[in-house]
Amino acid sequence: EPEVTQTPSHQVTQMGQEVILRCVPISNHLYFYWYRQILGQKVEFLVSFYNNEISEKSEIFDDQFSVERPDGSNFTLKIRSTKLEDSAMYFCASLPVGARYTFGSGTRLTVV
Amino acid sequence: KNEVEQSPQNLTAQEGEFITINCSYSVGISALHWLQQHPGGGIVSLFMLSSGKKKHGRLIATINIQEKHSSLHITASHPRDSAVYICAVWGGLDYGGSQGNLIFGKGTKLSVKP
Repeated sequence: EPEVTQTPSHQVTQMGQEVILRCVPISNHLYFYWYRQILGQKVEFLVSFYNNEISEKSEIFDDQFSVERPDGSNFTLKIRSTKLEDSAMYFCASLPVGARYTFGSGTRLTVV
Repeated sequence: KNEVEQSPQNLTAQEGEFITINCSYSVGISALHWLQQHPGGGIVSLFMLSSGKKKHGRLIATINIQEKHSSLHITASHPRDSAVYICAVWGGLDYGGSQGNLIFGKGTKLSVKP
């Protein structure tokens, strides 16, 4: 079964540094999402991406965050100047029209 | 904004028991998802429902659109079913201009003892 692949599985970074989380969605999917889950809390929507542009973003997704699909396959989430409260599990998901989401296995980001 | 409530928050069962996890939401939706999150954190989609009932192995999911309620049942539970089960609702791709992001419940932590 096709998978959504996320790398790295775990990243530790110093506060103030930039991180790039990478995702390879399923190739024929059209909609791509980033979600995050702070430890012990529910999963929260960050941003959705369709037709090579952001289609919706949440209040969490401020100027610190950006997404790109630089080469038509990878889908990246960049977090500039990381803060302690950015520590969370970040999930990428992709979706064809009218079907189930496929989630990546997540990147655990720890900001120290 | 849709509010998604799950009950119970925590559930401990003996192997072989029949398990029910409930989900209710406040605003009409296009689809509801049941997800399973393993201890390592990965999320797997179990079902997507827009009406009626679906069955996959020992898992059964039902939804009542009028009552805005869904249930996930596990028959003959097994320790390997231990995980967090998450209900998430989806307005659909034409829902209020949204491209269909999910709104998640807090999850139900299930522990099945041998």
